[in-house]
Amino acid sequence: EVQLVGSGGGLVNPGGSLRLSCAASGFTFSSYTMNWVRQAPGKGLEWVSSISGSSDYIYYADSVKGRFTISRDNAKNSLYLQMNSLRAEDTAAFYCAREAPGNRYGMDVWGQGTTVTVSS
Amino acid sequence: DVVMTQSPLSLPVTLGQPASISCRSSQSLVYSDGNTYLNWFQQRPGQSPRRLIYKLSNRDSGVPDRFSGSGSGTDFTLKISRVEAEDVGVYYCMQGTHWPPAFGQGTKVEIK
Repeated sequence: EVQLVGSGGGLVNPGGSLRLSCAASGFTFSSYTMNWVRQAPGKGLEWVSSISGSSDYIYYADSVKGRFTISRDNAKNSLYLQMNSLRAEDTAAFYCAREAPGNRYGMDVWGQGTTVTVSS
Repeated sequence: DVVMTQSPLSLPVTLGQPASISCRSSQSLVYSDGNTYLNWFQQRPGQSPRRLIYKLSNRDSGVPDRFSGSGSGTDFTLKISRVEAEDVGVYYCMQGTHWPPAFGQGTKVEIK
């Protein structure tokens, strides 16, 4: 079964850091571009970042550029999001999502979401 | 950046009746390869998003054929031919043609 399982969320103070993880199974992880998408409480979806299969291409939304770092370990079938200098407006559920090949950001498999709360 | 605008934002529907959601983009979504990278996602209450439609009109595996996507250029539509109780949730259009990818605000479908 194709599956993505996110983890690492929690409560953090403004200005703090957190590292999210996403464990993939059931497919050849290294062949897929992976994305992070977030959803603030009661709000819509916002694309955050993407990384190609070999980590050659990495992109960030302007709202997180310079503060967040996406990475992956294909040997461990894992995706990561290092989040620094966190702000209250970063409070959200973070989803990892697989991008179908040849489908420009067409995310066909999503994880269950891990919640990040930035508050003092 | 491309802006995606959905309407309506709230859609009360009667079971068994059709429903239609509109999505408009601020720029044409036709990519240089001729494809239109317009996706539709469903998010049921308390669940992760699920892709229903990709590249304008292609249904994902397992998606009931009562869902269909259509449109061209900057105007797109998701249609549900006969709404069922399990269709309750929020529906998002999303463009992948231009960077950065962008979602619409979402349309909440509820049963009357």
